[in-house]
Amino acid sequence: NAGVMQNPRHLVRRRGQEARLRCSPMKGHSHVYWYRQLPEEGLKFMVYLQKENIIDESGMPKERFSAEFPKEGPSILRIQQVVRGDSAAYFCASSQLADTAHEQYFGPGTRLTVT
Amino acid sequence: QKEVEQDPGPLSVPEGAIVSLNCTYSNSAFQYFMWYRQYSRKGPELLMYTYSSGNKEDGRFTAQVDKSSKYISLFIRDSQPSDSATYLCAFYPSGTASKLTFGTGTRLQVTL
Repeated sequence: NAGVMQNPRHLVRRRGQEARLRCSPMKGHSHVYWYRQLPEEGLKFMVYLQKENIIDESGMPKERFSAEFPKEGPSILRIQQVVRGDSAAYFCASSQLADTAHEQYFGPGTRLTVT
Repeated sequence: QKEVEQDPGPLSVPEGAIVSLNCTYSNSAFQYFMWYRQYSRKGPELLMYTYSSGNKEDGRFTAQVDKSSKYISLFIRDSQPSDSATYLCAFYPSGTASKLTFGTGTRLQVTL
């Protein structure tokens, strides 16, 4: 009964490099959400995806950030040309149905450090 | 006005104490009220949620919602050192699937 899985758990990138964060939702869940947590701040919504569709990307910066959830495989959050301000913990959550989207289960997070 | 307000703490209590954690909110569209627990450098863990107003109890935890005051609480009875964590309130609107809106979290320390 695996929960939400994220990898890598820790990622170090130099400024200007690309970061790819992966998320596998809980078994039977088809809705994926990405959140970012900065030090001393709460979690901020970034994007909500279903298989092959972006449903809501209102929290995602317009430039350098993109997300996908392909038919096969994990959801990917991609950050191009990273800057120091991108250093944060990125959490993925999943829910089973749209009707149960209030019950979101979180993964352990990926901690991104930009040097 | 912030959409959600939560006292960051830290809140330090002795083992066995009753803990009260609170959040206020301003968005009337919120219909689901969640509490998450987050241990240091871990992902948030859903403790419980309440729909609309009222109380909900689960073991040592009680969640309370007062929609008229836009105020929610989490009570922890007989607190244990293992309860030491950051507690996040979260809110979800009715209607089509959308995002959770989180408070900044209250850091709780239960001492022996």
